[in-house]
Amino acid sequence: QTVVTQEPSFSVSPGGTVTLTCGLSSGSVSTSFYPSWYQQTPGQAPRTLIYSTNSRSSGVPDRLSGSILGNKAALTITGAQADDESDYYCVLYVGSGISVFGGGTKLIVL
Amino acid sequence: EVQLVESGGGLVQPGGSLRLSCAASGFTFSSYVMSWVRQAPGKGLEWVSGISGNGGSTYYADSVKGRFTISRDNSKNTLYLQMNSLRAEDTAVYYCATYPRYDHFDYWGQGTLVTVSS
Repeated sequence: QTVVTQEPSFSVSPGGTVTLTCGLSSGSVSTSFYPSWYQQTPGQAPRTLIYSTNSRSSGVPDRLSGSILGNKAALTITGAQADDESDYYCVLYVGSGISVFGGGTKLIVL
Repeated sequence: EVQLVESGGGLVQPGGSLRLSCAASGFTFSSYVMSWVRQAPGKGLEWVSGISGNGGSTYYADSVKGRFTISRDNSKNTLYLQMNSLRAEDTAVYYCATYPRYDHFDYWGQGTLVTVSS
């Protein structure tokens, strides 16, 4: 069973830079997993941010970027703003039509 | 404008059944892989199921395999999720989403709440 790992929570100061990561309980994340990232605020549907490792979805500012860092996928937010405070989920495609979500990271901006 | 509108959620007893629908508009529905994603109260997101554009291929998470059936009616631009043998742990908001190439989710609906309780 594939388990996708994320930091449970992270804090960043307004204007600062933060990198959230997405790993595997066993093995390394590569572009072959087509990592994608989603933002969700309470009571709202998820919003797609990044797909296929580093492609931004329509309307996503370029201060958000995706990459592979070491053996994990990463979402970097630069110039953090108050409205970046949200839950962030990564997804890895594991083949055969199946995707697996990470447990999510609660980002606090303070 | 792409729109996905889920319906069919509600309260159902354990062991019962429910069928969710997702009405799509603003894009060529038959050309898109579609999926269902759920979120239990206070919990994270969980991929549930996916279906190819022509409905010929379907995929399920282990947690729902054998109990849930995904289908679509391209003439009605509608996606379905038939849920049988429901359990308390199926209680969640269910979202439909486009699922291009099966490797990410693109557009999302607003979700419909399913509560399994006696």
